[in-house]
Amino acid sequence: KAGVTQTPRYLIKTRGQQVTLSCSPISGHRSVSWYQQTPGQGLQFLFEYFSETQRNKGNFPGRFSGRQFSNSRSEMNVSTLELGDSALYLCASSVGTGGTYEQYFGPGTRLTVT
Amino acid sequence: AQSVAQPEDQVNVAEGNPLTVKCTYSVSGNPYLFWYVQYPNRGLQFLLKYITGDNLVKGSYGFEAEFNKSQTSFHLKKPSALVSDSALYFCAVSQAAGNKLTFGGGTRVLVKP
Repeated sequence: KAGVTQTPRYLIKTRGQQVTLSCSPISGHRSVSWYQQTPGQGLQFLFEYFSETQRNKGNFPGRFSGRQFSNSRSEMNVSTLELGDSALYLCASSVGTGGTYEQYFGPGTRLTVT
Repeated sequence: AQSVAQPEDQVNVAEGNPLTVKCTYSVSGNPYLFWYVQYPNRGLQFLLKYITGDNLVKGSYGFEAEFNKSQTSFHLKKPSALVSDSALYFCAVSQAAGNKLTFGGGTRVLVKP
């Protein structure tokens, strides 16, 4: 089975712009979660989608949003980019939700905001 | 609120020696505990998990972890470390409400030949 794929892998944006990141989960996986990884804050949970519904949301401002499509593919959007949004954004998929399932991570999208 | 602590930023070990990476957690209710490893410029790879049952959990690549409820710990161990085990290791916890993982700060493992 193909792993979790994320596009694009690298992205450079300017402050104030918006960006959309894409994630394709492992075939058959219905849950997709997003995480932000930075040297200062470490790994932080953004949100989880299961069957096109947001199940959980982390402590991020409303500029961060996401959605999931009927084929389980997911996108996250960040509007009005700030320098502090520079990070590695990781997508993870799992078969189900409920906390007991291991998550499989993609390689990430490295976003640089200048 | 749930939290995870990894008290060591870095662990150095000689190849062939035992490797231990420490993790303690804080949750209200039953914890679901995970270990992940991250190699440079790559995403996280799942190593093992504890959900319920036997306190000693075996995972990928010869790793195992011991769940200790009284000490709220979930230390990762490998009897004989390899140079290729050098990487960044993360402990994480989730609960039944969903797949939200709360991660520790990570421990960098350096295995020297």
